[in-house]
Amino acid sequence: DAGVIQSPRHEVTEMGQEVTLRCKPISGHDYLFWYRQTMMRGLELLIYFNNNVPIDDSGMPEDRFSAKMPNASFSTLKIQPSEPRDSAVYFCASSLGQENTEAFFGQGTRLTVV
Amino acid sequence: TQLLEQSPQFLSIQEGENLTVYCNSSSVFSSLQWYRQEPGEGPVLLVTVVTGGEVKKLKRLTFQFGDARKDSSLHITAAQPGDTGLYLCAGAEDSNYQLIWGAGTKLIIKP
Repeated sequence: DAGVIQSPRHEVTEMGQEVTLRCKPISGHDYLFWYRQTMMRGLELLIYFNNNVPIDDSGMPEDRFSAKMPNASFSTLKIQPSEPRDSAVYFCASSLGQENTEAFFGQGTRLTVV
Repeated sequence: TQLLEQSPQFLSIQEGENLTVYCNSSSVFSSLQWYRQEPGEGPVLLVTVVTGGEVKKLKRLTFQFGDARKDSSLHITAAQPGDTGLYLCAGAEDSNYQLIWGAGTKLIIKP
């Protein structure tokens, strides 16, 4: 397996624009996580899914953020409208599930909102 | 909400020196994981400790889980420039599948 695949690797957008980040988890993994990482706040969990169902979205900063997982092999994180304070590295991670909580991370998407 | 306090936040030492990174909580975890993250990459799992008092070794890295499963440490012997990176601890709870993350320790080993 190629691991968790995220796209794009880098995104620069203007304030107010819609941004969509994409993730393909490892095949067979039941859990998918979206994280945001900044120097100031470290690694923050935004939302996670179990078998494509959102379980906890309490980390989503506000209504401008939304996430979907239409099937087991694809998830999106959307920011609309984007703001400069959304600039960060966004990671997607997946876990096998059951008693195995090891998180496998993608390479991340570095988002810059100007 | 459980919290994991990680220290130090930043450490810069010379090649060959020893160091210890700590991860502490007031709550009990069912297991604790240590990850290393290199620039431009996502965190990668180094080890998982499960049993109170457990010690695991990975070459020059020694990981310990506290007896009460509330704290953990990572000790690096004779650090090398290749050890440079961000080290993160993450605790797993019995009642919740999500991991609780420490803030990370940025380690720089100077040649």
